[in-house]
Amino acid sequence: DAGITQSPRHKVTETGTPVTLRCHQTENHRYMYWYRQDPGHGLRLIHYSYGVKDTDKGEVSDGYSVSRSKTEDFLLTLESATSSQTSVYFCASRRGRSYEQYFGPGTRLTVT
Amino acid sequence: DQQVKQNSPSLSVQEGRISILNCDYTNSMFDYFLWYKKYPAEGPTFLISISSIKDKNEDGRFTVFLNKSAKHLSLHIVPSQPGDSAVYFCAAGKSSGDKLTFGTGTRLAVRP
Repeated sequence: DAGITQSPRHKVTETGTPVTLRCHQTENHRYMYWYRQDPGHGLRLIHYSYGVKDTDKGEVSDGYSVSRSKTEDFLLTLESATSSQTSVYFCASRRGRSYEQYFGPGTRLTVT
Repeated sequence: DQQVKQNSPSLSVQEGRISILNCDYTNSMFDYFLWYKKYPAEGPTFLISISSIKDKNEDGRFTVFLNKSAKHLSLHIVPSQPGDSAVYFCAAGKSSGDKLTFGTGTRLAVRP
């Protein structure tokens, strides 16, 4: 399994505050992904990166931005958190030659 | 527009019997498929995959079947064990793309 860590693991924040979640991988994987998991929706892609400084939107990207300045780090930012962004967020990474994505342990975010 | 569907939110099976988890997709451009297992408070872990050039792939107790004409895949677990109790997600992707589309998940409970 890829060495993927996420920080923080849990966060409670107030509506309107900015929040940044960090994903760190030690496998030198080219691709990295941010998903959110919600009941009844499974895993939905927020943003992904196909290389340093190369990112693209997923199906639920509104209200989120990402940055990737190094291969190993992929940051997800909620510029102004809303209650609808309360969710569990998962980061994943993938080598270029295979299709399997390897997931981090998740971050539970609560926006009050 | 749910392109990957898992219509059974839950399944309960006796230990030692077969578990069959189903997944349907609508996008005919998908050409590879994966199954992930997820325990509570952990990230999803890759289980098994299949390419559209095959109709079956087996790995130990786990077998995935693909019926392209029906746009249907299934995961068979034989024999089922209590440790298999988890949420199972199917996912689909295009070899020409970088993303996976996930289903909503099926919660499997294996009764001792």
